[in-house]
Amino acid sequence: DAKTTQPNSMESNEEEPVHLPCNHSTISGTDYIHWYRQLPSQGPEYVIHGLTSNVNNRMASLAIAEDRKSSTLILHRATLRDAAVYYCILSGTQGGKLIFGQGTELSVKP
Amino acid sequence: EAGVVQSPRYKIIEKKQPVAFWCNPISGHNTLYWYRQNLGQGPELLIRYENEEAVDDSQLPKDRFSAERLKGVDSTLKIQPAELGDSAVYLCASSKRLAGVHTQYFGPGTRLTVL
Repeated sequence: DAKTTQPNSMESNEEEPVHLPCNHSTISGTDYIHWYRQLPSQGPEYVIHGLTSNVNNRMASLAIAEDRKSSTLILHRATLRDAAVYYCILSGTQGGKLIFGQGTELSVKP
Repeated sequence: EAGVVQSPRYKIIEKKQPVAFWCNPISGHNTLYWYRQNLGQGPELLIRYENEEAVDDSQLPKDRFSAERLKGVDSTLKIQPAELGDSAVYLCASSKRLAGVHTQYFGPGTRLTVL
């Protein structure tokens, strides 16, 4: 299974954009890039996923490098409720198996 | 739409006792997953079901852990006997495949403490 590398922690100020990076240099052609987040004392929550093109939804945007070896999750205006651990995960189409790493712990300052 | 339901939310037992966790997935989701999450770590997959069939149980410690998903809906994960190292949060998730992708929806988890 392909591996992802994320910074252990990041800080942001409230109402500012946040760019969370993820490196996945061994990604295969069929791997989707998924982002989940986990708020304190809750189960993980789906954020966004993509294959090759940039993606937008109501929660975030996903920017995927042209060579697909890295991606960036963009929160356009961080709020205190966005403080969470963000996981970048690669997954093929076989049953949706997710292998979680350590993730990036995002803290948001008022 | 109701989310994934798990019970109990918390469980404290003494070592060597049995314990069971229950999960009700989102209606219509054929795929069900059980994960274990140790403190400060990401979740680790224990077992994945497609309907009532366990299709990936390679990470399930089969000497003491068992799981079932009768009728392809609800699922139960059991530990017998529990050990101190089993203290963790046990998460259930469900998904269905759309456009080739499984988006997983997680329950709140059961926090198990083994004394």
